[in-house]
Amino acid sequence: DTEVTQTPKHLVMGMTNKKSLKCEQHMGHRAMYWYKQKAKKPPELMFVYSYEKLSINESVPSRFSPECPNSSLLNLHLHALQPEDSALYLCASSQDPAGTRWPEAFFGQGTRLTVV
Amino acid sequence: QQPVQSPQAVILREGEDAVINCSSSKALYSVHWYRQKHGEAPVFLMILLKGGEQKGHEKISASFNEKKQQSSLYLTASQLSYSGTYFCGTEISGGATNKLIFGTGTLLAVQP
Repeated sequence: DTEVTQTPKHLVMGMTNKKSLKCEQHMGHRAMYWYKQKAKKPPELMFVYSYEKLSINESVPSRFSPECPNSSLLNLHLHALQPEDSALYLCASSQDPAGTRWPEAFFGQGTRLTVV
Repeated sequence: QQPVQSPQAVILREGEDAVINCSSSKALYSVHWYRQKHGEAPVFLMILLKGGEQKGHEKISASFNEKKQQSSLYLTASQLSYSGTYFCGTEISGGATNKLIFGTGTLLAVQP
């Protein structure tokens, strides 16, 4: 199974709502990532988890709160988002990028988020 | 920090060849190449680890010149299935672990 599963596929939320994005993989990968992708732009790294611990936070606003409950699951909690946060949110996983290597990353299909 | 790709877009007829270039202002540990079809997730194509290394994947190959901080992706005898946006990715130091930064992207359209 080389799949990364993200739910929901689409999400529309108001600026005062609280919602969560979910990501799951069963490949035994110990590194998981959140990327944000705007239309016609490359994915931008948001967070990296390595062995369930947050190892990189790319200065993401606190209205985005990641959580890694176990080695297979990754959540992104959303609160008080702005319309400019509307984007495709991609989850990815890989073997732990220890040392100076970033192994092949497997991406989920993404959650298309619209903030109204 | 973001690698720059050229061209931004290219249109090909089936069977034609194309080259996509990726250039970084930072020293590179490695270069990754991904393809993303419209509405789909990025898919890993290959990783190049050494200066001057070349790799192949079906009719898609790539080279990596560590000294010039450049990589090129070569698509030979293109097929309709090659259409999509190609991203190079470069590793840069992120403290305890490196991080993968994607290039600006190249949109490739292969027409019958």
